[in-house]
Amino acid sequence: AQKITQTQPGMFVQEKEAVTLDCTYDTSDQSYGLFWYKQPSSGEMIFLIYQGSYDEQNATEGRYSLNFQKARKSANLVISASQLGDSAMYFCALAASGAGSYQLTFGKGTKLSVIP
Amino acid sequence: DSGVTQTPKHLITATGQRVTLRCSPRSGDLSVYWYQQSLDQGLQFLIQYYNGEERAKGNILERFSAQQFPDLHSELNLSSLELGDSALYFCASSSNGAGERNEQFFGPGTRLTVL
Repeated sequence: AQKITQTQPGMFVQEKEAVTLDCTYDTSDQSYGLFWYKQPSSGEMIFLIYQGSYDEQNATEGRYSLNFQKARKSANLVISASQLGDSAMYFCALAASGAGSYQLTFGKGTKLSVIP
Repeated sequence: DSGVTQTPKHLITATGQRVTLRCSPRSGDLSVYWYQQSLDQGLQFLIQYYNGEERAKGNILERFSAQQFPDLHSELNLSSLELGDSALYFCASSSNGAGERNEQFFGPGTRLTVL
């Protein structure tokens, strides 16, 4: 079975500071992918960043980077220079073939609030 | 804008009724996924179609069904609706529906309220 755990229901960060959102995962597959999505209050799901299990380097996309520690099964999202528009729910998700398809298994999410 | 469209945006109906949610994937994407987001269950995978055929099923109730048409748009049918079916229903699409780098792009969702 695939599982994603996000232990921080809510986080606060000062504008322009960096913040780390935690994500741990569980899968018996050797090949898998990890995704982060952002969900603003308007409700849409916005893809942020991807990390493959065989990628040797941590993924980066602009102000987003992924701190991937395979042995610890963690894939933390780092947002640098936080902006007010970063206030949203953030979901970590796992895609693996163990369930028979590469559908996404999501965590419960972390609500990030950026303080001016 | 992800390129995935969903209609309607909002739907209010009564218990026992039947509704149809519609999704058009991004141009060129062959795979469509349906997800349900509710307060108590979070985001859950329901079903996947690839090029017109069902590929995988998740926690989809027997009262729910879906299909993907030759033009690749998909419909999710929800029948005998219950209060607990109230949720945000997302459609997502991807190019090939396989492989761990199966980047899925989500539509804006349909918010279903069952009264």
